[in-house]
Amino acid sequence: DSGVTQTPKHLITATGQRVTLRCSPRSGDLSVYWYQQSLDQGLQFLIQYYNGEERAKGNILERFSAQQFPDLHSELNLSSLELGDSALYFCASSGGGGPDEQFFGPGTRLTVL
Amino acid sequence: QKEVEQDPGPLSVPEGAIVSLNCTYSNSAFQYFMWYRQYSRKGPELLMYTYSSGNKEDGRFTAQVDKSSKYISLFIRDSQPSDSATYLCAMTTSSASKIIFGSGTRLSIRP
Repeated sequence: DSGVTQTPKHLITATGQRVTLRCSPRSGDLSVYWYQQSLDQGLQFLIQYYNGEERAKGNILERFSAQQFPDLHSELNLSSLELGDSALYFCASSGGGGPDEQFFGPGTRLTVL
Repeated sequence: QKEVEQDPGPLSVPEGAIVSLNCTYSNSAFQYFMWYRQYSRKGPELLMYTYSSGNKEDGRFTAQVDKSSKYISLFIRDSQPSDSATYLCAMTTSSASKIIFGSGTRLSIRP
């Protein structure tokens, strides 16, 4: 158990809908990272937040957004969902804002029908 | 060309064998190198974290980094069926927090 929690474990929704994925980092970690993992794309970095501020952006679509709250938990919002958004979404946390070791949560499996 | 290249496998070896997993990369600015293990439908688990060139050993696992060749390796000694998983290499620069992952190698250890 990495200490990173993610909810929900599974999410099934329809195209065009909006969903919110939640992540709680390990105790004491200030950074939260979001990743998307699909069969054909591997593990893709989406976005990082450090102590409430956006720190780095990866291949995140404009339909997706994230935020980190004062208690350091983070939410990833996915809107106008498409079939291709079906994937595993992982959250990871680390202590600082730099190249620290990242610890991954168990993931949320999103299925868009 | 991808920044990080990793042979997807699958790689199948008998129990007890030494396993060698490898990645190559193109960005000479990468300084931090990691290996993650991912069981099916689970989150990646950090195995090894190294800085710059050299070797690092942890139990049955040894990570090697050769920056001159832009090549990193993970060796698993006395492999066990429980080592069957996908192994992901990952790396980043000293200034960036974004980690670039390889596509992963599927490893199967036959009893």
